[in-house]
Amino acid sequence: AQKVTQAQTEISVVEKEDVTLDCVYETRDTTYYLFWYKQPPSGELVFLIRRNSFDEQNEISGRYSWNFQKSTSSFNFTITASQVVDSAVYFCALSGWRSSASKIIFGSGTRLSIRP
Amino acid sequence: EAQVTQNPRYLITVTGKKLTVTCSQNMNHEYMSWYRQDPGLGLRQIYYSMNVEVTDKGDVPEGYKVSRKEKRNFPLILESPSPNQTSLYFCASSPRGPSTDTQYFGPGTRLTVL
Repeated sequence: AQKVTQAQTEISVVEKEDVTLDCVYETRDTTYYLFWYKQPPSGELVFLIRRNSFDEQNEISGRYSWNFQKSTSSFNFTITASQVVDSAVYFCALSGWRSSASKIIFGSGTRLSIRP
Repeated sequence: EAQVTQNPRYLITVTGKKLTVTCSQNMNHEYMSWYRQDPGLGLRQIYYSMNVEVTDKGDVPEGYKVSRKEKRNFPLILESPSPNQTSLYFCASSPRGPSTDTQYFGPGTRLTVL
């Protein structure tokens, strides 16, 4: 069975601090995809990144970076120099291959609050 | 504008009164899916559809029905709503599926069942 665990329910930091959101996953698939989504206070869901299991290179996009480590089944998300606009709920998700490619499992989310 | 629309956005109803939440996309996507979001549980997949007339259960399908008669529409039907179906519902679509393509989410429907 597939599972995504986001152990940090809530995180609060002061603006400009760096913050890392943890994501640990479980799957028996050898090919799978990992995702991060952002849900700002307005409620919509915003896609941030998709990473397949064969690509373990870290990804950087501006202040955002993602660290994928198969050895620890983790796909952590770091925000550098956080800003108030980063306040949101962040979801990590997992999708499989072939028969399980149509399903996607979300973690329970981490609520991030950035204090000015 | 490419978008996924849901109606209604807010709904308060009573136990047992059948309701339908509509979902429509204008991007000619093959894949559509319904999720419910509950505090502490994240998003859970209810049903998904790979194409017209092709639907399958997600992780929490009990108490829900769907249909996919047209490519653009994927309504969620609650035949006999119960209070435990009070939740925030999201519809999403993508060209072929969540693994290979970005999912586009609708704005959400907040349902309260009394």
